[in-house]
Amino acid sequence: QKEVEQDPGPLSVPEGAIVSLNCTYSNSAFQYFMWYRQYSRKGPELLMYTYSSGNKEDGRFTAQVDKSSKYISLFIRDSQPSDSATYLCAVYGGATNKLIFGTGTLLAVQP
Amino acid sequence: GAGVSQSPSNKVTEKGKDVELRCDPISGHTALYWYRQSLGQGLEFLIYFQGNSAPDKSGLPSDRFSAERTGGSVSTLTIQRTQQEDSAVYLCASSFAGGANEKLFFGSGTQLSVL
Repeated sequence: QKEVEQDPGPLSVPEGAIVSLNCTYSNSAFQYFMWYRQYSRKGPELLMYTYSSGNKEDGRFTAQVDKSSKYISLFIRDSQPSDSATYLCAVYGGATNKLIFGTGTLLAVQP
Repeated sequence: GAGVSQSPSNKVTEKGKDVELRCDPISGHTALYWYRQSLGQGLEFLIYFQGNSAPDKSGLPSDRFSAERTGGSVSTLTIQRTQQEDSAVYLCASSFAGGANEKLFFGSGTQLSVL
């Protein structure tokens, strides 16, 4: 079993839609949860960061962590074509100093 | 530039050849990471350098892979006797001190194709 599971998509939505991206993880020791966005032929860039359970909002983006079910989500409101990218969840914690990434979900927002 | 720089951006090699991939992190960043990204596999951790500490090599897939970081700055990832399954994008990232709440800054990667 992978430590982080993420549906690879692709996910195609019309402009203005609400997008929900999700990951599950297996190790309850993980305490830090991130979402990275990766445009084609570029490296990932940090989009959202949360510690422990709860919600965090930044503009059109909301990150949600439910540690009881080991489930993390990213919501994008009023999606734009410029949001088209691969979204990778990542977790950190336990005994090792490295981020563990999901496989990434490819999102396409159609104008 | 102020970002993480990787070279070359693309590398095509023949099976069995050795390759060297270079990463120039952001100045002042003490932590440096190498990841590999294959289609449908996400980012796979390879190796982590933190200051003068011994590197965490736990992600290197075989003894054909090695990496070094000279002078706490530039890093080179070497793959010996390349195989077709080594074809992937190799990404380097750096952060200020390697802490849990730190943002990783990624380079654009080296696309390696082994024929």
